Amino acid sequence: AQKITQTQPGMFVQEKEAVTLDCTYDTSDQSYGLFWYKQPSSGEMIFLIYQGSYDEQNATEGRYSLNFQKARKSANLVISASQLGDSAMYFCAMRDPRGSSNTGKLIFGQGTTLQVKP
Amino acid sequence: ETGVTQSPTHLIKTRGQQVTLRCSSQSGHNTVSWYQQALGQGPQFIFQYYREEENGRGNFPPRFSGLQFPNYSSELNVNALELDDSALYLCASRPNRGGTEAFFGQGTRLTVV
Repeated sequence: AQKITQTQPGMFVQEKEAVTLDCTYDTSDQSYGLFWYKQPSSGEMIFLIYQGSYDEQNATEGRYSLNFQKARKSANLVISASQLGDSAMYFCAMRDPRGSSNTGKLIFGQGTTLQVKP
Repeated sequence: ETGVTQSPTHLIKTRGQQVTLRCSSQSGHNTVSWYQQALGQGPQFIFQYYREEENGRGNFPPRFSGLQFPNYSSELNVNALELDDSALYLCASRPNRGGTEAFFGQGTRLTVV
């Protein structure tokens, strides 16, 4: 069964420092996509970064990078130079590769609450 | 700003009642998914609509139903509300071709009393 595991319920980081949020996944499929979303207290899910299973290089988007280790089935999010506005809930998700080509079902982990200290 | 809007933002209903939640997607986004997010949990996939037809469903009972309209809007209907239906309901849309990420609305927080 497809599953996402985030083992850190809460994390603290000092402003301007880097932080790594852990994510492991379980799938028997060879083709899949991995996502990270940020959810502030307002509720909206904000897309941060995407990694395809066949991508050879780790994805990067500004201050966000994804440390993709396929053999370990991990997709950790690294936030560099943390800012106060980064305080939010962070979710790792996997697109379910089963079903039709138009299926966009996302399987989410439990999330990690990140608090950035000034 | 994702271009996906949901209404209402908050709603209180009584157990046994019916509720309709609405979502307006970006133009050209003909795939829409609905998720239920209980407090402190990750979102759970309810179902997906593509070109006005349901083409994927999660582990939710039939009293959860939906509609998608040609103008890129959609609805989530829940009948016979139960206390456990209290949650944040998120709508997500994506284009059929191109792009990989889903664009989420701000959600509707439903409280069942």
